[in-house]
Amino acid sequence: DTGVSQNPRHKITKRGQNVTFRCDPISEHNRLYWYRQTLGQGPEFLTYFQNEAQLEKSRLLSDRFSAERPKGSFSTLEIQRTEQGDSAMYLCASSLAGAGGPDEQFFGPGTRLTVL
Amino acid sequence: AQTVTQSQPEMSVQEAETVTLSCTYDTSENNYYLFWYKQPPSRQMILVIRQEAYKQQNATENRFSVNFQKAAKSFSLKISDSQLGDTAMYFCASNAGNMLTFGGGTRLMVKP
Repeated sequence: DTGVSQNPRHKITKRGQNVTFRCDPISEHNRLYWYRQTLGQGPEFLTYFQNEAQLEKSRLLSDRFSAERPKGSFSTLEIQRTEQGDSAMYLCASSLAGAGGPDEQFFGPGTRLTVL
Repeated sequence: AQTVTQSQPEMSVQEAETVTLSCTYDTSENNYYLFWYKQPPSRQMILVIRQEAYKQQNATENRFSVNFQKAAKSFSLKISDSQLGDTAMYFCASNAGNMLTFGGGTRLMVKP
């Protein structure tokens, strides 16, 4: 079990550029989540997938943000026309849907985005 | 809507001592869970302990235990016999379905 992995770990970009992050969940996990964490704050939910279906999106996920999980395995999060306010740590988590109660979410190390 | 509030931005404790981190929450859900997550410096977040709201008995995991006061919507974390490795950010969270709502965190420093 290699855990949840995220790439890249750090990304520096200029305002207006597009960026894409990748998350590889734990292999048998069917649920995948994206969160955003700004400095000194707790993570905020962005969206989640069950298999390849995107089941929930936060109002935080503006139309510049898009997430995909095409084959129900890895996921990508793209931010178009980045703004300085997008600077944050982007966390991915995965879980295995259980029979009752919320699944335990296992978090990746995050991708730290800096928009200049 | 759910809100989670952690009123202690920073705390410190001497090694081997006991410390309690506070958390209050608000939810419209009838059936929910509460969690404490630990985020060590430059490392990924891990689940410390979770509590099912319909269970009256407080959850315990080794040196970590919670004091769950449902009527007061309070969910504090007690760490006994603090160790240097407990130094981290601690986040309280509640769930609405599969989405977690986190508090702002408490930075805990364990001093030798």
